[in-house]
This record gives sequence, C-alpha cells and structure tokens, in this order.
Amino acid sequence: GESVGLHLPTLSVQEGDNSIINCAYSNSASDYFIWYKQESGKGPQFIIDIRSNMDKRQGQRVTVLLNKTVKHLSLQIAATQPGDSAVYFCAESPSGGGADGLTFGKGTHLIIQP
Amino acid sequence: NAGVTQTPKFRVLKTGQSMTLLCAQDMNHEYMYWYRQDPGMGLRLIHYSVGEGTTAKGEVPDGYNVSRLKKQNFLLGLESAAPSQTSVYFCASSHQPGNYEQYFGPGTRLTVT
Repeated sequence: GESVGLHLPTLSVQEGDNSIINCAYSNSASDYFIWYKQESGKGPQFIIDIRSNMDKRQGQRVTVLLNKTVKHLSLQIAATQPGDSAVYFCAESPSGGGADGLTFGKGTHLIIQP
Repeated sequence: NAGVTQTPKFRVLKTGQSMTLLCAQDMNHEYMYWYRQDPGMGLRLIHYSVGEGTTAKGEVPDGYNVSRLKKQNFLLGLESAAPSQTSVYFCASSHQPGNYEQYFGPGTRLTVT
C-alpha cells in the first residue's frame, strides 16, 4: 500500500549546526506535504508545509524541499538549538484534497548535542 | 483560544471496560480527526468527521466508535477495551479538508490491562 517513511530513525547533530531530516513518500498522487515536530509528552506541532506545485518553501530557520521526481521530502533546520530536540514527522495528504486525515511517517528523533 | 483540548490526559482500563475520550476545539473548525500513536510509529487515523453529525472510518477503525453531535466536540468511544488498544490518542482539527494544517491536542495516554 501507499506509505510515507523516513530514512533515519535518529539524527544527532551539534548545537549550532544545520540539520537535514529526510522523508520518502510513495504516493505520486499526493499533493500536500507537512512537517510536524513532537516533543516528549505533547501533541504534534506544525512546522511547515508545501504543496506539490512548489519545490522549496522557507520559514523561520526551516526550509522544506520537495523533489517530486524521486518522491523525496526534506526538512532543513538552520543553526539548531537545544529546543529543536524532538521527533519530526513528515505527513502527506494522499487524497488530493479530500477530507481524510494525513498519512504519517514513523518519525526521526533529532538529538542536539551541546 | 485554548485550541484543541482532550480529556482525560491519562486513563487505565481493565480489559472489557468501556470509556469515552472527549475532544473539544474552539477554532470553529469543520474537520476533526482521531489518531492513535504507538511506540516507534507515526500516527494512524482511526475515524474522522467532516462536520457536525457526520463521521467516517479511517485506517484503523475497528474497536472504536465516534460521535460528532456538536461542531466543537468529537468523542471517541471504546465499548470493550482490549490490551491492543493501549496507545496514545490524539485528536486534531482543521479548517479545510485533507491538504491543510491540522491542529493537534495534547493527547490521552490509555493503558488497557
């Protein structure tokens, strides 16, 4: 079946370095992608989203890149801070705008080393 | 605005017991969702609602029922709890369907013994 997954379950980076979290998706019909951050004991928190008619979108310290050719999504976090430590999920909307919920990947645990 | 709230935060049930999880949102969102999250996994959709009085099945609906009697509330029921339903349950809401941001509640941790 269709799925969204992440390449690495854990990513450890030095404070101040840039982080890149990757995500592969398999549903070529998906047209909306979103990154969530989940801190321990909390619900997912929106970071940034992107639609399939774009290949890059920037937010505050974050950039999402979408490569539709290879069905790959990445989240770049600039100058990582201790507060960036969390699990990051990518998710897709597989129904092209329908009311179904999002399909989530398994998550990448980002660890910031002091 | 409180956003999305969930009650209770924690609950322990014995096998066969029933309970209802309550989700409330004050953002006037039409769409509401219930997900479960198991260790090392992403969130999986249980049921969702596209408006007051409507509900639909998601990816893992078995063993759960839902109701949306009021626009701001979305209830998730377990009629006869099983250990396999031990999980963290998250409610979410969104203004638009599918391809728009969903806002999540803080979660309910349920243990079934």
